Amino acid sequence: DQQVKQNSPSLSVQEGRISILNCDYTNSMFDYFLWYKKYPAEGPTFLISISSIKDKNEDGRFTVFLNKSAKHLSLHIVPSQPGDSAVYFCAASARETSGSRLTFGEGTQLTVNP
Amino acid sequence: NAGVTQTPKFRILKIGQSMTLQCTQDMNHNYMYWYRQDPGMGLKLIYYSVGAGITDKGEVPNGYNVSRSTTEDFPLRLELAAPSQTSVYFCASSYRNQGNYGYTFGSGTRLTVV
Repeated sequence: DQQVKQNSPSLSVQEGRISILNCDYTNSMFDYFLWYKKYPAEGPTFLISISSIKDKNEDGRFTVFLNKSAKHLSLHIVPSQPGDSAVYFCAASARETSGSRLTFGEGTQLTVNP
Repeated sequence: NAGVTQTPKFRILKIGQSMTLQCTQDMNHNYMYWYRQDPGMGLKLIYYSVGAGITDKGEVPNGYNVSRSTTEDFPLRLELAAPSQTSVYFCASSYRNQGNYGYTFGSGTRLTVV
């Protein structure tokens, strides 16, 4: 039972354009969502998060959008840079029932071409 | 500040052997976690701990054991290695009430069972 799904294993974009990474979830108890970035041979690093009381959170070139009715969130990177090439994981938490435990999606490999 | 340190980085085990994956954090985080990452499967929670002396099972605990005798250390034990345990293992830590619930991950241990 995959509660957090990233249906696109890979995404390729041109430098300077927008990258949009998508994530869907099934558990209605999830109330906190995060994106992590992972380079080869390194551990994932926290990128940006959003609480379920918001529908948008922005941090520099990175914006996360949350659509609770659709149980969908997306990460927008504008403009995309070659250094953004990495695997991006979506994660979710049900803080009332699961505390700080995170459930991760499968990941999307983003490649930004110069 | 080292963050989360995992050792070893690589290991090859024969079927039936045992080993301990070490994890140490120096951030005084009360929560610690072990995840495994299989290709195309995202990160799956093996075990977690909410504080010294307290551990609990995650999604995929079979074949593993953990202990948490100190706040800093959270070793993962494989008693009888099986090929299905070939994976990349990540240790992570977090504060219980940190605003963003972000984890800090170690750089991973790549384990091959042959």
